[in-house]
Amino acid sequence: EDQVTQSPEALRLQEGESSSLNCSYTVSGLRGLFWYRQDPGKGPEFLFTLYSAGEEKEKERLKATLTKKESFLHITAPKPEDSATYLCAVRTSNDYKLSFGAGTTVTVRA
Amino acid sequence: DSGVTQTPKHLITATGQRVTLRCSPRSGDLSVYWYQQSLDQGLQFLIQYYNGEERAKGNILERFSAQQFPDLHSELNLSSLELGDSALYFCASSPLAAEQFFGPGTRLTVL
Repeated sequence: EDQVTQSPEALRLQEGESSSLNCSYTVSGLRGLFWYRQDPGKGPEFLFTLYSAGEEKEKERLKATLTKKESFLHITAPKPEDSATYLCAVRTSNDYKLSFGAGTTVTVRA
Repeated sequence: DSGVTQTPKHLITATGQRVTLRCSPRSGDLSVYWYQQSLDQGLQFLIQYYNGEERAKGNILERFSAQQFPDLHSELNLSSLELGDSALYFCASSPLAAEQFFGPGTRLTVL
């Protein structure tokens, strides 16, 4: 069965203090690793898709990277508006559903 | 705004009742997915429809059912509701083998 594990569960950062979130996965036949941002009570907002090891994607202060076993979401010089829960999900060759990790809740203090 | 709409935003009902959640996908997306998010289970896949046909099922309870109509909107029906069914229910849509875009969700509270 596909497994997606995110760490840490929670991260408290000072504004401007860069950090990284981890998403490790055990799947058969990865067909995509997805990062989403979710604000409380809202739907997940799509950020990135990564398909193969070595791939990197960037958007503003966020950068996602992928290896054969894990993905990292780097937050550079975060601002309070980056506070959210960041979800990692995988899609495998068996079907089109997404299997999600439990998420990392990031709090950025001014 | 993802382009996916869901109604209602909130639903409060009693145990044993039946409710219907509605989802309209993004324009052009043929695939619709339903997910349940609870505090202890996280985001869990329920069911997928593609162009009106059921494509995949997750750990969806027999009390739950869904369908996708010719205009591509989808409905999730939850019956014989229990306290444990209280959760956020999300619909997502995609062109199929691509990233999924989520709606704002329906918060279901079963009293």
